[in-house]
Amino acid sequence: DTEVTQTPKHLVMGMTNKKSLKCEQHMGHRAMYWYKQKAKKPPELMFVYSYEKLSINESVPSRFSPECPNSSLLNLHLHALQPEDSALYLCASSRTGTTETQYFGPGTRLLVL
Amino acid sequence: GQQLNQSPQSMFIQEGEDVSMNCTSSSIFNTWLWYKQDPGEGPVLLIALYKAGELTSNGRLTAQFGITRKDSFLNISASIPSDVGIYFCAGQSISGTYKYIFGTGTRLKVLA
Repeated sequence: DTEVTQTPKHLVMGMTNKKSLKCEQHMGHRAMYWYKQKAKKPPELMFVYSYEKLSINESVPSRFSPECPNSSLLNLHLHALQPEDSALYLCASSRTGTTETQYFGPGTRLLVL
Repeated sequence: GQQLNQSPQSMFIQEGEDVSMNCTSSSIFNTWLWYKQDPGEGPVLLIALYKAGELTSNGRLTAQFGITRKDSFLNISASIPSDVGIYFCAGQSISGTYKYIFGTGTRLKVLA
């Protein structure tokens, strides 16, 4: 089973709202990733967690706040987003992160009004 | 962020034709991954390559890890309408642990 699940599938939020995206995998992977993807563009890395510790933050604005409660779960907390943050947010995981295959979830389509 | 050069950007082909696309980098990579993405969905892994010169098949798909470690190729034989989508390569450099750099994508359209 190489499944990464994400909820919700779609999300519409106002600029003053607080919401969270969730990602889950049960493959025993110890590296988890958040990507942002705009239309017709490749995914852009936002954060990497390795063994539940934040390993990479690609200079993402603080209105995006990641959290890794345990090795199977990854959250992305959203607050005071801007319309330009509207995008497809993808979660991925890999076994350890070094020379490993990365598997993606189906994504959350976010619209910020 | 950094992106890999992927070509062609888009292509229209007739059903039954073979398709080739490639990715090139100025850096050496130690892993190449090829994904297909349908609109509004996450990328689905097609083929993973771990060694220079490696040639791997997955059904009608064949991918190769270039000997120079700076490029990779994906071939699709006898294309069918469901091959439509965007194909991305992704590479992991020796110095970039955890970081995969994505190609700019090849948009494939198959004419029945």
